[in-house]
Amino acid sequence: GESVGLHLPTLSVQEGDNSIINCAYSNSASDYFIWYKQESGKGPQFIIDIRSNMDKRQGQRVTVLLNKTVKHLSLQIAATQPGDSAVYFCAEYTYNQGGKLIFGQGTELSVKP
Amino acid sequence: EPEVTQTPSHQVTQMGQEVILRCVPISNHLYFYWYRQILGQKVEFLVSFYNNEISEKSEIFDDQFSVERPDGSNFTLKIRSTKLEDSAMYFCASSLQEFDTEAFFGQGTRLTVV
Repeated sequence: GESVGLHLPTLSVQEGDNSIINCAYSNSASDYFIWYKQESGKGPQFIIDIRSNMDKRQGQRVTVLLNKTVKHLSLQIAATQPGDSAVYFCAEYTYNQGGKLIFGQGTELSVKP
Repeated sequence: EPEVTQTPSHQVTQMGQEVILRCVPISNHLYFYWYRQILGQKVEFLVSFYNNEISEKSEIFDDQFSVERPDGSNFTLKIRSTKLEDSAMYFCASSLQEFDTEAFFGQGTRLTVV
């Protein structure tokens, strides 16, 4: 069956350091892989996505890497700030499935000042 | 900035009772979704809705669940006879198109079944 999961449940970093959050997936047929951020008491918020035929995509302070050989997705956050503290979910999207997102388990990122 | 709004923020109900969770999606969006998140767990897809009909639903979305867009702005999730295991945070989301990986989520309704 399809599944998207995360390697580590918690990650603690010092403010200003770079953060790397990892995700493993098993459905090679997914068309997009996405990172969402969920702050305490809020709904998930889109961060960045990557199409399955790409291996890297950069946004503002974030970079997503996709390694299809080992079915691995990562989110890199540069110069991590206290406002980055949240739970990060990877998710997968496949065309013609009504727009549904399949979320992984989540990694809690804690930024120490 | 447009946002998805959900009411109520917290709903407590007795087992076996019907509940209706309400959502107002972003006004020009065409696709609407319900997800749930059991405390401390991942976000799970329930159903997607487009053009007044269900596009996709998960195994969780059984006959006890139904969705409706009763007017041009509201989108509701009804659970007919709640069970203890229905206790979760329920998130409504919307997107402009089906092919949007960016869905906009509401703040959620915490449903507690006692």
